[in-house]
Amino acid sequence: SYVLTQPPSVSVAPGKTARITCGGNNIGSKSVHWYQQKPGQAPVLVIYYDKDRPSGIPERFSGSNSGNTATLTISRVEAGDEADYFCHVLGTSSGLPVFGGGTELSVL
Amino acid sequence: EVQLVESGGGLVQPGGSLRLSCAASGFTFSTYPMNWVRQAPGKGLEWISYISTASTGSTIYYADSVKGRFTISRDNAKNSLYLQMDSLRAEDTAVYYCARDYYTGGYSPSVFDYWGQGTLVTVSS
Repeated sequence: SYVLTQPPSVSVAPGKTARITCGGNNIGSKSVHWYQQKPGQAPVLVIYYDKDRPSGIPERFSGSNSGNTATLTISRVEAGDEADYFCHVLGTSSGLPVFGGGTELSVL
Repeated sequence: EVQLVESGGGLVQPGGSLRLSCAASGFTFSTYPMNWVRQAPGKGLEWISYISTASTGSTIYYADSVKGRFTISRDNAKNSLYLQMDSLRAEDTAVYYCARDYYTGGYSPSVFDYWGQGTLVTVSS
């Protein structure tokens, strides 16, 4: 099955830029989606199809995807951005959804 | 406003059954495929099932971990999604979320644009 690898945690100071990666074999050929999940809450879609933002998601959130790595970038990080972030693609052989293990973003 | 509200979770013994429901509102339910996604305590997300738009004759997919034990269904007249869970195991313990699929009229999972708040299923003796 297709494996997505995310760093368990990323730390960033307020106002700085956070980059959360999602690694997978030739992930650049797939569409990657990103979800934000705050403690005790349901996931929220923040980036879809590599770089599109749903309505209501700040422009500070952006995405890119190339080669073996997709990246979620959060600019001018705020305390309210503290959350777990999960990447999501459709598996190569199955065509069914696969999630990364998640990255906990800490704002120092 | 899109709303998805899950219900039906609870404590069940191993080998038992449970039926989850997801009540949808704020959108035309019958035109959107739906999914179930679960999250074990302190763990990541796991997609488990998808159903296309039709109430009967739908295209359905399951993750291998639940295939043959779980059954997804929907009732468009009642704006509701269901998950019948049989032969439950300890490893099925999780919060179960229903999630709307982005593509109206699609026939396979795509991206999940709205999620419910989830319902907790605990499988334990």
